[in-house]
Amino acid sequence: AQTVTQSQPEMSVQEAETVTLSCTYDTSESDYYLFWYKQPPSRQMILVIRQEAYKQQNATENRFSVNFQKAAKSFSLKISDSQLGDAAMYFCAYRRANYGGSQGNLIFGKGTKLSVKP
Amino acid sequence: NAGVTQTPKFRILKIGQSMTLQCTQDMNHNYMYWYRQDPGMGLKLIYYSVGAGITDKGEVPNGYNVSRSTTEDFPLRLELAAPSQTSVYFCASSYSRLAYSNQPQHFGDGTRLSIL
Repeated sequence: AQTVTQSQPEMSVQEAETVTLSCTYDTSESDYYLFWYKQPPSRQMILVIRQEAYKQQNATENRFSVNFQKAAKSFSLKISDSQLGDAAMYFCAYRRANYGGSQGNLIFGKGTKLSVKP
Repeated sequence: NAGVTQTPKFRILKIGQSMTLQCTQDMNHNYMYWYRQDPGMGLKLIYYSVGAGITDKGEVPNGYNVSRSTTEDFPLRLELAAPSQTSVYFCASSYSRLAYSNQPQHFGDGTRLSIL
């Protein structure tokens, strides 16, 4: 079974600085997708960024980028120029690629609570 | 621009009561999911559906039932509420017509349920 581990329960960053959130996963599959979701106090689950395992290039979305190390099964999220609105819980999630007849559900880590100091 | 809509947003139940959490999506997604989120934890899958009339159990299905009579709706039923079911419940949907799909899941805003 696949598992996702986020080893940092809480992180803190100064506004305008850069912070990296860690995520490792365990799978025997070669093709899959990885996601980072943001959950602000409003409880919404907001997709931040996604990475296809078959792509070597790291995904980037504005101030958010990932460091995807497939061999190490590592998928960290880097937030540059941190803003007060970035304060939230961040969840790393895994999904198998081929889910035509199976679940296709997301497997989540326990989350990292990010605080942003003004 | 509704996306995934969940009702109610908050509910308090007494032990042994029953209720239905509603979920509807207007994106014509074939896949729908119910997750629960316990304090300090990530989301865990309760049930899922790959299309109207087709449902299956996820990781934590005990104490719940679902149905999928239409593409849009995927209600979650608690028959005999227990304190262990106190949680935040999320409904999600996604689209896939191919064996491989990178389409992300879209989430509702969640329902906070307390069983006292």
